[in-house]
Amino acid sequence: GESVGLHLPTLSVQEGDNSIINCAYSNSASDYFIWYKQESGKGPQFIIDIRSNMDKRQGQRVTVLLNKTVKHLSLQIAATQPGDSAVYFCAERGGSYIPTFGRGTSLIVHP
Amino acid sequence: DSGVTQTPKHLITATGQRVTLRCSPRSGDLSVYWYQQSLDQGLQFLIQYYNGEERAKGNILERFSAQQFPDLHSELNLSSLELGDSALYFCASSVATRIAGSTDTQYFGPGTRLTVL
Repeated sequence: GESVGLHLPTLSVQEGDNSIINCAYSNSASDYFIWYKQESGKGPQFIIDIRSNMDKRQGQRVTVLLNKTVKHLSLQIAATQPGDSAVYFCAERGGSYIPTFGRGTSLIVHP
Repeated sequence: DSGVTQTPKHLITATGQRVTLRCSPRSGDLSVYWYQQSLDQGLQFLIQYYNGEERAKGNILERFSAQQFPDLHSELNLSSLELGDSALYFCASSVATRIAGSTDTQYFGPGTRLTVL
């Protein structure tokens, strides 16, 4: 399975390319999903969220897609920049209001 | 800057010792959450406080305890420390209204890196 740190799934892209980070969630009852970005030595930073009654939401350079049929979430980053290099976590939340975080994906952007 | 502050930034201590981590939530947020992040466990929820009361409990050891004070800041107390307690400890805060349809997004602080030697 996935793990944080050296064994994180890694996505390497060139500066200017679009990046797609995927996340599979487990609870079909989850009604709210969040993407966080964590840079080295910092806390997770909120990027974008989506409710379960939506299948797409766009922010500034980022888009989140939700496919409830297959319990899949993705984060698309347009025109990826070196400053986007970080670990990206998806989180799902159900009735307990406590989110469950995925293991994370490490995004490396090459200039 | 999320508006959540945590002190200290780094803490180095020995096994068997006790430490206290401090968190101040964003202005207006009533709820505080504590998380542990280690290399092999990812981000694990420990405990949530809302307006001074414990609201939810996660994978928190009996050696760990927390409280939220009237000014809404929170402290996480870790005692009888073991090598395996070395990790990043994050605090997050949210409004936590639990109004139907609310998102109640959590905003994280910069974390405290605890090293137990």
